[in-house]
Amino acid sequence: GENVEQHPSTLSVQEGDSAVIKCTYSDSASNYFPWYKQELGKGPQLIIDIRSNVGEKKDQRIAVTLNKTAKHFSLHITETQPEDSAVYFCAAPRDDKIIFGKGTRLHILP
Amino acid sequence: DVKVTQSSRYLVKRTGEKVFLECVQDMDHENMFWYRQDPGLGLRLIYFSYDVKMKEKGDIPEGYSVSREKKERFSLILESASTNQTSMYLCASSLPHRAGEKLFFGSGTQLSVL
Repeated sequence: GENVEQHPSTLSVQEGDSAVIKCTYSDSASNYFPWYKQELGKGPQLIIDIRSNVGEKKDQRIAVTLNKTAKHFSLHITETQPEDSAVYFCAAPRDDKIIFGKGTRLHILP
Repeated sequence: DVKVTQSSRYLVKRTGEKVFLECVQDMDHENMFWYRQDPGLGLRLIYFSYDVKMKEKGDIPEGYSVSREKKERFSLILESASTNQTSMYLCASSLPHRAGEKLFFGSGTQLSVL
């Protein structure tokens, strides 16, 4: 079954710099890759997703890239702001379920 | 706005107690899920349901059961709570999918078993 590995577990970046979080997956048949953001005291919320028929998708300051050959996908946040501080989870499908990575705690430093 | 509501934000129980965690969604979603979240382990799927009275085991079902008598409500049951079940529990719902639909999460229930 699908296995999702996420790195790094913690990431600190200076406000205004870029942040990159990477995930690898094992099932070459996987075709949907969402990213969720969890703010303190809240449940995770979908921020962006990509399907396997595209290599990159952007939404303002966030983007996701997908490399199906290497079986990895990444979240890119540019011009980071204090409100980007949160835990980010990547995920991939396994059968009819969504399997999550272990999460990355992103700290935006003033 | 779509909403997934978990009945308790914080819960403290004693070892051996039977514990009910309730989740209600107002989006008429067929799919509902229970995850637990632990530091360094991410979100792990306990049970899920694709229809009323239907349930399937996730990756860590031991020590848990579920009930889905109505479409909007999905309950997680700890038959005899143990200290290793101290965790954050998250409920989610979605439209029917082959794992390609957005999950809507509740705010979570932080359960402490003493």
